[in-house]
Amino acid sequence: AQSVTQLGSHVSVSEGALVLLRCNYSSSVPPYLFWYVQYPNQGLQLLLKYTTGATLVKGINGFEAEFKKSETSFHLTKPSAHMSDAAEYFCAVTLSGTYKYIFGTGTRLKVLA
Amino acid sequence: NAGVTQTPKFQVLKTGQSMTLQCAQDMNHEYMSWYRQDPGMGLRLIHYSVGAGITDQGEVPNGYNVSRSTTEDFPLRLLSAAPSQTSVYFCASSSIRDRRSTEAFFGQGTRLTVV
Repeated sequence: AQSVTQLGSHVSVSEGALVLLRCNYSSSVPPYLFWYVQYPNQGLQLLLKYTTGATLVKGINGFEAEFKKSETSFHLTKPSAHMSDAAEYFCAVTLSGTYKYIFGTGTRLKVLA
Repeated sequence: NAGVTQTPKFQVLKTGQSMTLQCAQDMNHEYMSWYRQDPGMGLRLIHYSVGAGITDQGEVPNGYNVSRSTTEDFPLRLLSAAPSQTSVYFCASSSIRDRRSTEAFFGQGTRLTVV
């Protein structure tokens, strides 16, 4: 069965510091992997996705993630945090050929001035 | 382009009342789904549909009903509201035909409180 684990329900970083949000998945077949962002009182917005091909994926707002099959990980990074990055971030997985998303429990990012 | 539209945005119900959460999409997506979001639990799948006339249960279907009479609409019905159904509900849609475009598009959510 598929599952997604996000380590750290709350992460705080200083403005300008590196952002690292961790996501590990469990899947018996190659997955499709996603990161979504949710700003307060809003729906989820796609940041980036990995389906096939290049394992380093670049998304919106300067975020990127690397698919590491050997580590079953898809960590989200941004070199320099901005105050506007404060939000909740969700990692999700689907199997190719299926449509049901499995979401992690989310990581709330706080950016300190 | 409206995307996925959910109504209402907020709702307060008394225990035992019924109501329907509306969801409509204008992207001609085949796949539509309902999630509930609770603190510390992420998003959990309630029901989903792969096309008009086809629905199936997700992870937490009890107490909810769905139907899909058109491609555009996927309403979620609460049959007899309970305090445990206090949550934020999200509707999402995605394309099945275009397998390169696996992105799910989400509505803005409905915040439901059952007292």
